Amino acid sequence: SQQGEEDPQALSIQEGENATMNCSYKTSINNLQWYRQNSGRGLVHLILIRSNEREKHSGRLRVTLDTSKKSSSLLITASRAADTASYFCATDPPSYTGANSKLTFGKGITLSVRP
Amino acid sequence: NAGVMQNPRHLVRRRGQEARLRCSPMKGHSHVYWYRQLPEEGLKFMVYLQKENIIDESGMPKERFSAEFPKEGPSILRIQQVVRGDSAAYFCASSPMQSKTQYFGPGTRLLVL
Repeated sequence: SQQGEEDPQALSIQEGENATMNCSYKTSINNLQWYRQNSGRGLVHLILIRSNEREKHSGRLRVTLDTSKKSSSLLITASRAADTASYFCATDPPSYTGANSKLTFGKGITLSVRP
Repeated sequence: NAGVMQNPRHLVRRRGQEARLRCSPMKGHSHVYWYRQLPEEGLKFMVYLQKENIIDESGMPKERFSAEFPKEGPSILRIQQVVRGDSAAYFCASSPMQSKTQYFGPGTRLLVL
């Protein structure tokens, strides 16, 4: 079953606006990551937030994590047409003892940024 | 430093044939993961391998699917006797030791006729 559930499923905004995407998950996690996928391509890692962190920034990206609500949000500020893509949250479980682990992905959010 | 490479990018098979998907991880990466993506869906984990070892195959169907990551050469995902339901995009990812971040290849799109 899917661990992550993103919402909205689709988002259309004007270039320059901010885009906010949300992800909820069901079980405990070690980390939560956000990935981007352009149409027909592989996934590109955007940002990782650990379970003991509440907020993280990377360029125009801001990620928050609320472990009590089992939710995360990804904010893209000053969006560009090139941000048009699908965005996925992914979690790794605390049951993994090693540093490397499989990821569980949500279904994704389709973001369209209109020029 | 080349990224994760997958080949072929597109593969067409008839029902009952075998499909072999190859993945070369990034240089220096010793961990390989395979995921499957159906249209309009997220990625579903299939298998996690290190060199010559399967670490976690909890997402692999019990029959017809197998994976390996030999000491030399690429990782191979093998699907025997393909059926139409196997049509999907198959993504390989790799990571270095002690890392949660995974680096994805461009995927192999399998179409079963």
